Amino acid sequence: DTAVSQTPKYLVTQMGNDKSIKCEQNLGHDTMYWYKQDSKKFLKIMFSYNNKELIINETVPNRFSPKSPDKAHLNLHINSLELGDSAVYFCASSRGGGQYFGPGTRLTVT
Amino acid sequence: TQLLEQSPQFLSIQEGENLTVYCNSSSVFSSLQWYRQEPGEGPVLLVTVVTGGEVKKLKRLTFQFGDARKDSSLHITAAQPGDTGLYLCAGDGSSNTGKLIFGQGTTLQVKP
Repeated sequence: DTAVSQTPKYLVTQMGNDKSIKCEQNLGHDTMYWYKQDSKKFLKIMFSYNNKELIINETVPNRFSPKSPDKAHLNLHINSLELGDSAVYFCASSRGGGQYFGPGTRLTVT
Repeated sequence: TQLLEQSPQFLSIQEGENLTVYCNSSSVFSSLQWYRQEPGEGPVLLVTVVTGGEVKKLKRLTFQFGDARKDSSLHITAAQPGDTGLYLCAGDGSSNTGKLIFGQGTTLQVKP
């Protein structure tokens, strides 16, 4: 069974479009996260939700909007995509302690 | 702003050699985690260290948390090609938000 899953794995789209990435975890964790990994492999936190409540909101453009319909899901919607949004986006979950990451979504904006 | 400096950034060694990766900061962290990431996959948690001076072993990998909880090291003994990957340290400086600050990563290549 996959612990943290993300869809899609790859996303290629044009500038100006709106897209969503979905994340689900079946670990029973209370906290979920979105990270962005740039081309130099640097991983930076974007958002965190605990029991469907936003607890971390880093300096991210408001074109990015996370949504947590329940504890097991945390989706990321991105409006008006820009070239600089190209990166790998990782979802993760935890119950304190270490975090469990999904396989990532490689977003390419052309 | 909390920062974690990881060194070296790249390491290419022969199978059987030993190596150490360092993770340093001027900030105190409540815990520090090490992850390994392979191409096309997400980071996988290797270990969490919590107590200053703590040493944890995972087969040929030895992790140490500095006494002041500002730095950590990962030592690999007799490296194998299967150890190849990106090693990331991450510090939890928050109080109960789980916000991790990641180092820049160390890309390790172990040649047979």
